[in-house]
Amino acid sequence: DAGVIQSPRHEVTEMGQEVTLRCKPISGHNSLFWYRQTMMRGLELLIYFNNNVPIDDSGMPEDRFSAKMPNASFSTLKIQPSEPRDSAVYFCASSGRYEQYFGPGTRLTVT
Amino acid sequence: GEDVEQSLFLSVREGDSSVINCTYTDSSSTYLYWYKQEPGAGLQLLTYIFSNMDMKQDQRLTVLLNKKDKHLSLRIADTQTGDSAIYFCAFERDDKIIFGKGTRLHILP
Repeated sequence: DAGVIQSPRHEVTEMGQEVTLRCKPISGHNSLFWYRQTMMRGLELLIYFNNNVPIDDSGMPEDRFSAKMPNASFSTLKIQPSEPRDSAVYFCASSGRYEQYFGPGTRLTVT
Repeated sequence: GEDVEQSLFLSVREGDSSVINCTYTDSSSTYLYWYKQEPGAGLQLLTYIFSNMDMKQDQRLTVLLNKKDKHLSLRIADTQTGDSAIYFCAFERDDKIIFGKGTRLHILP
């Protein structure tokens, strides 16, 4: 298996633009997690899905953030409009039982 | 306080043992984990331990669990330059994994 796939790996955008991050989980995994990592806050859980249904989105910072999982093999995290404080590395992880497998992350820079 | 507490930095000489400690709050977790993050990469599961165990050994890695004190440690024997990374202590709760802020392990020559 290729592992969790994220795209793009790097994204540089201007403040106010819409940003869409993509994730393909490991086939057969039924849970998917979106995290954000910064030096100041460390690793934060934004939202997670179980069987494509959002279970807990309490970590989503504001209404500017939204996430979808239209099917078992694809999820998106959208930021609209983006702000400089959204600059971070965004990770997607998927889980079958007790272990989470992380993707390589998307490094987002908002100028 | 934080759900998982661990020191932020540790420096160890190459060839020595590294011991990374953590304390956690949740006594009902079934699994406790150590994840490793190398520069520019995502977190990777290094090892885990069931809550009914007090020790697990896997090659150079030894995990010790003191459930009474809610203390978890990771010992890396014969530390190599490739062990330089951030190590996250974590436990599972309600289908989620709660991570600490990570300990950055620096290897001295």
